Amino acid sequence: DGGITQSPKYLFRKEGQNVTLSCEQNLNHDAMYWYRQDPGQGLRLIYYSQIVNDFQKGDIAEGYSVSREKKESFPLTVTSAQKNPTAFYLCASSLRHDSGNTIYFGEGSWLTVV
Amino acid sequence: AQSVTQLDSQVPVFEEAPVELRCNYSSSVSVYLFWYVQYPNQGLQLLLKYLSGSTLVKGINGFEAEFNKSQTSFHLRKPSVHISDTAEYFCAVSEAGTSYDKVIFGPGTSLSVIP
Repeated sequence: DGGITQSPKYLFRKEGQNVTLSCEQNLNHDAMYWYRQDPGQGLRLIYYSQIVNDFQKGDIAEGYSVSREKKESFPLTVTSAQKNPTAFYLCASSLRHDSGNTIYFGEGSWLTVV
Repeated sequence: AQSVTQLDSQVPVFEEAPVELRCNYSSSVSVYLFWYVQYPNQGLQLLLKYLSGSTLVKGINGFEAEFNKSQTSFHLRKPSVHISDTAEYFCAVSEAGTSYDKVIFGPGTSLSVIP
């Protein structure tokens, strides 16, 4: 089945560590996104990529980094510089970056700092 | 600047009763409007979207929404809810023709269907 796969589903991080969340899509979509979701808040955009080897910062990029070496993959690294990383992280993709295209979401990854 | 307001953070409703989840937005230009559903510990799924044309939009799972430009609203309705509709619902808006980095999501409404 086509879709977006995020892993791991649950991740625990010690303070001061970097962690990487995986996102893979087999929908042949050009655009990919990372969102952060906190309880009682809407989604906030961390980074997005419209094409391989290119990406842009979203609204809350500080403390995060991404790469887009392959069309189907868009991993997110949560660095030690992110002061409050405990959250639910959602990866998404769309055929094109135009918001008229339907966006598809993965099932999310929970990151907890211990 | 655009913004999205979902007036009700929680909506309890009995099974088989009708429900309306309210969404208001602010924008000075033409907009695209979206409703998403999120089941516990899952990603979001598109319920329906308004891009242009008919103001009454039908989506999946028996939901529909009506775009009201004069009231800047895009309320979501279902005539008879089921237990399986219990979820978080998000309204989102973007300027027509812009890209996903410009989409603004509302804070969500938690729908609880009571048997």
